[in-house]
Amino acid sequence: TQLLEQSPQFLSIQEGENLTVYCNSSSVFSSLQWYRQEPGEGPVLLVTVVTGGEVKKLKRLTFQFGDARKDSSLHITAAQTGDTGLYLCAGEQGGSEKLVFGKGTKLTVNP
Amino acid sequence: DAGVIQSPRHEVTEMGQEVTLRCKPISGHNSLFWYRQTMMRGLELLIYFNNNVPIDDSGMPEDRFSAKMPNASFSTLKIQPSEPRDSAVYFCASSFRDSKDTQYFGPGTRLTVL
Repeated sequence: TQLLEQSPQFLSIQEGENLTVYCNSSSVFSSLQWYRQEPGEGPVLLVTVVTGGEVKKLKRLTFQFGDARKDSSLHITAAQTGDTGLYLCAGEQGGSEKLVFGKGTKLTVNP
Repeated sequence: DAGVIQSPRHEVTEMGQEVTLRCKPISGHNSLFWYRQTMMRGLELLIYFNNNVPIDDSGMPEDRFSAKMPNASFSTLKIQPSEPRDSAVYFCASSFRDSKDTQYFGPGTRLTVL
């Protein structure tokens, strides 16, 4: 059983379109992180959200943490080819340093 | 500044052989994590250390896997004997533990066991 479910698993869109990917769980997390991973590289942290209902913006990317701290979403406005990659969410429970990762959403932005 | 360094980047070996993966964390970081990534299971935490001490090894699949951190600047993950199902990309990450620490990942080692 996957603790964090990400959807969709694959997404292929045209440059300029908007998209939203989701990260859902039945468990509560003290914080949730989003990473982007490019082929042949390790994941790179994009953002950490810690407060229920929190919204953070990073240029064209908007991250939201659910009120109950069980789910999160990532919205990309006017996608660019450089946004192509694997987007991973990861949850931290309690005071542990352990992160539980979802399987990711593989995004392809076509020119 | 140098990021997390892993070696080798690629390893191809035959079933039954011993494999040793190496990691040098970012200088000053006091936590180190070993992950395994596969298509089927995604990114899974195998073990993590804090101040060179193993804190949680519940993700280590079986006794064939072992990890050590003899000092703050070096860690190894050993598989003996290796099996084809161990084929995966193995990542090392490091962080400086505080209330909202960021894990920095290395480039990974792609392991293929034939």
